[in-house]
Amino acid sequence: GNSVTQMEGPVTLSEEAFLTINCTYTATGYPSLFWYVQYPGEGLQLLLKATKADDKGSNKGFEATYRKETTSFHLEKGSVQVSDSAVYFCALIGQAGTALIFGKGTTLSVSS
Amino acid sequence: DAMVIQNPRYQVTQFGKPVTLSCSQTLNHNVMYWYQQKSSQAPKLLFHYYDKDFNNEADTPDNFQSRRPNTSFCFLDIRSPGLGDAAMYLCATSGDRQGPQTQYFGPGTRLLVL
Repeated sequence: GNSVTQMEGPVTLSEEAFLTINCTYTATGYPSLFWYVQYPGEGLQLLLKATKADDKGSNKGFEATYRKETTSFHLEKGSVQVSDSAVYFCALIGQAGTALIFGKGTTLSVSS
Repeated sequence: DAMVIQNPRYQVTQFGKPVTLSCSQTLNHNVMYWYQQKSSQAPKLLFHYYDKDFNNEADTPDNFQSRRPNTSFCFLDIRSPGLGDAAMYLCATSGDRQGPQTQYFGPGTRLLVL
């Protein structure tokens, strides 16, 4: 079945550091890939998405590229801020699927 | 602003006492979903409605039911909550249920079972 694996956290960074959160997936066909962010006590907010190979999703300085050859969708940001502290979820929807399949989430903590 | 609204944000119930969580949307989306997120875990789909067509996930306990009286509203009913049902319940919507559809989430209802 479809699955998502993302790096274990927590990830602790200083403000303005470079961020990478690794995400790989297993799926048949061509899934759509997403990054969602969850701030403490809140629901999930869509951060970015990509729907086909080599697409790059970007938003608020975050980027991720859909790599079919490595089945990856790593999240990057060049300079993190304290306000980026949250839990980040990588997720996919299968080509013929309905449910979002989430990774376990990665907690990011940014200090000033 | 178009949005997904969940009420209440926090719900406390007693062991075995039925509870209903509500979700409404102003996006006019066809599909509404209910996810369960236990502490420090990923959200897991319980069921979804495509218009009035109800679709239950295979491993969703019978204790969980849902109603969608109209396009805008969807309810999650827990008939006899157990301690293991304490979780964040997330409602989401999308325009369609297949293809590269983005799901838009509400803020969630955190359920505490005493």
